[in-house]
Amino acid sequence: GQNIDQPTEMTATEGAIVQINCTYQTSGFNGLFWYQQHAGEAPTFLSYNVLDGLEEKGRFSSFLSRSKGYSYLLLKELQMKDSASYLCAVWDFNKFYFGSGTKLNVKP
Amino acid sequence: GAVVSQHPSWVICKSGTSVKIECRSLDFQATTMFWYRQFPKQSLMLMATSNEGSKATYEQGVEKDKFLINHASLTLSTLTVTSAHPEDSSFYICSAREDRTSYEQYFGPGTRLTVT
Repeated sequence: GQNIDQPTEMTATEGAIVQINCTYQTSGFNGLFWYQQHAGEAPTFLSYNVLDGLEEKGRFSSFLSRSKGYSYLLLKELQMKDSASYLCAVWDFNKFYFGSGTKLNVKP
Repeated sequence: GAVVSQHPSWVICKSGTSVKIECRSLDFQATTMFWYRQFPKQSLMLMATSNEGSKATYEQGVEKDKFLINHASLTLSTLTVTSAHPEDSSFYICSAREDRTSYEQYFGPGTRLTVT
């Protein structure tokens, strides 16, 4: 079966840096995605990694290690609006499998 | 960017009735659409994959006779929840992919279904 693990909840302070980890064990792998989801809304795309290494996009960076089945999302200069759930998802070419999501609380 | 719409955005229905949810790709043709459901404070669970012109592929544990999916055109897929029960109350989200080799999927805004 497919197994994608993330911490359930994290809290960080405005202006700080936070790292959200994701480990996965899937039968296939064609890329790993990070999505942001605010309560009651659809997910929005943040990043996509298919090769090992770090992808940087503004305040958000995502890292992938395929050999370790591991990824993380790094959020810098946290803002209050970053309070949301962050979903890790693996694409095995035919379908997407989502982790349970990490709820990030940003406090002043 | 690519836009996917869902209708209705929320619906309340009585137990035993059927509800149809539409998912449309507005500015691109979607060869594949995915249907997810999400319970409160949980992640998205894939229900089925819908390819235009063919039968949907359902995930294990999803009743195909209860959740009817039709992908009749390249811009429209529908999910019908038949004989709805309170336990079917959930947030249903569709996503669309432009072609089978693309990794990008575009999510609709979701439909909140409440069965009383």
